[in-house]
Amino acid sequence: QKEVEQDPGPLSVPEGAIVSLNCTYSNSAFQYFMWYRQYSRKGPELLMYTYSSGNKEDGRFTAQVDKSSKYISLFIRDSQPSDSATYLCAMSAGGNNRLAFGKGNQVVVIP
Amino acid sequence: GAVVSQHPSWVICKSGTSVKIECRSLDFQATTMFWYRQFPKQSLMLMATSNEGSKATYEQGVEKDKFLINHASLTLSTLTVTSAHPEDSSFYICSAPGTGMVGNQPQHFGDGTRLSIL
Repeated sequence: QKEVEQDPGPLSVPEGAIVSLNCTYSNSAFQYFMWYRQYSRKGPELLMYTYSSGNKEDGRFTAQVDKSSKYISLFIRDSQPSDSATYLCAMSAGGNNRLAFGKGNQVVVIP
Repeated sequence: GAVVSQHPSWVICKSGTSVKIECRSLDFQATTMFWYRQFPKQSLMLMATSNEGSKATYEQGVEKDKFLINHASLTLSTLTVTSAHPEDSSFYICSAPGTGMVGNQPQHFGDGTRLSIL
């Protein structure tokens, strides 16, 4: 079983829709959870960062972490064409431990 | 916020050439930096952890003599791809945790270097 599972299937939504992305993981030591957005030929850009369980909201973005279920989510409200990108979940146990990444979801918001 | 600068953004060179990629942390110090490789439509693969003042730690399967890492200062790490061949063509990305981050998280990424070996 991979440490982090993220269904890589492309996702197309109409502008204004809610985008829902999620990842599951197997390592119970993970306590730092991140969502990155990556545009084509660019490095990942940090979108949301959560420590331990809980919800975090930043503008149109909401990140949720459920450590008991080993499940994290990212919601994008009122999606815009500029949100079209690949979204990567990442997590770590901290210290100098490496980041474990999901495969990434390619999201296309259709005007 | 924390910014990581990577240079060059794109390199095209002949087979057998050695290529150096720089990763700088701007306005913050990074005792640790990370180097990743990414193939098209795939996720990031960690290659090595760069440690200021000591040897880099390489992931299993990554040739340390092929991918030389030097972390000479608290703001600069370099990755040198020695005697590059077409199979080394890829997107290389570095990252560093920003200052004040607990547990070395979150990490901030450079914009990547696209390496094309002819």
